[in-house]
Amino acid sequence: AQTVTQSQPEMSVQEAETVTLSCTYDTSENNYYLFWYKQPPSRQMILVIRQEAYKQQNATENRFSVNFQKAAKSFSLKISDSQLGDTAMYFCASLSLNDKIIFGKGTRLHILP
Amino acid sequence: EAGVAQSPRYKIIEKRQSVAFWCNPISGHATLYWYQQILGQGPKLLIQFQNNGVVDDSQLPKDRFSAERLKGVDSTLKIQPAKLEDSAVYLCASSLDRQGNGFEAFFGQGTRLTVV
Repeated sequence: AQTVTQSQPEMSVQEAETVTLSCTYDTSENNYYLFWYKQPPSRQMILVIRQEAYKQQNATENRFSVNFQKAAKSFSLKISDSQLGDTAMYFCASLSLNDKIIFGKGTRLHILP
Repeated sequence: EAGVAQSPRYKIIEKRQSVAFWCNPISGHATLYWYQQILGQGPKLLIQFQNNGVVDDSQLPKDRFSAERLKGVDSTLKIQPAKLEDSAVYLCASSLDRQGNGFEAFFGQGTRLTVV
C-alpha cells in the first residue's frame, strides 16, 4: 500500500524568502509518480510540479523545484523568492501505476508581508 | 480548455436527508475521481472510474454513498442518508488516463457539504 507523510502541519516565512516543504512516501512499486498540489482558500487543487520516479533529474517549474531522493523516499518542495500568492495548503501526492493517487495531510504555508 | 465542473458549490442539509453532487470532467478524460476532504486533512479517495467502469471503490461507504458515471462522461455522487460526519468538501478530478503521459489529475472547485 502507498503512504504519503507530510510532517509539517504549518509553516510561515517572510515574502521573498526560500521555504522547503517536506514529504516522505512509501510504495512497493518501481514505477510511480510524485506530485505537489497547491490548494488556496478558493479550494481548487492546482498541480504545482510533478516528478517521474524513473527520472533522476529533479523537476523544476519556475520558482518551484523538488529534491527527489529515491532511496530515502523523500520528495521535498522548494519555493524560491516566495510571494504572497503562494499562501495556501500544499499537498504531496503519489501515484503508482494500476493504483490510486494518495495525498498527504498537507502543510499550511503562510507567506508574511 | 474548460476545466472540471462541479455543482453545487455549497450545500447545507439536515442529517438523514439525501444529497447529490454532479461532476463534468474535462472532455476526453477517461479517468474520474471523487475525493472527500474533511477540514484540515488531505483528500481521501472515495471512488475511481475508468470510462464508465469502477476501478476502485474500496473506501466508499457503500451503505450510504453511491456513485455512477453513465456513458463514461458526467458523474454523480449521492449520499443517502447523510450523517454529521459527512460534512466535508467533495472534490471531483479527472485525468486523461491512469497511465502514460496523461496521468496527472485536474480538480474541480469542490462542493462544500454541511450536515446539521
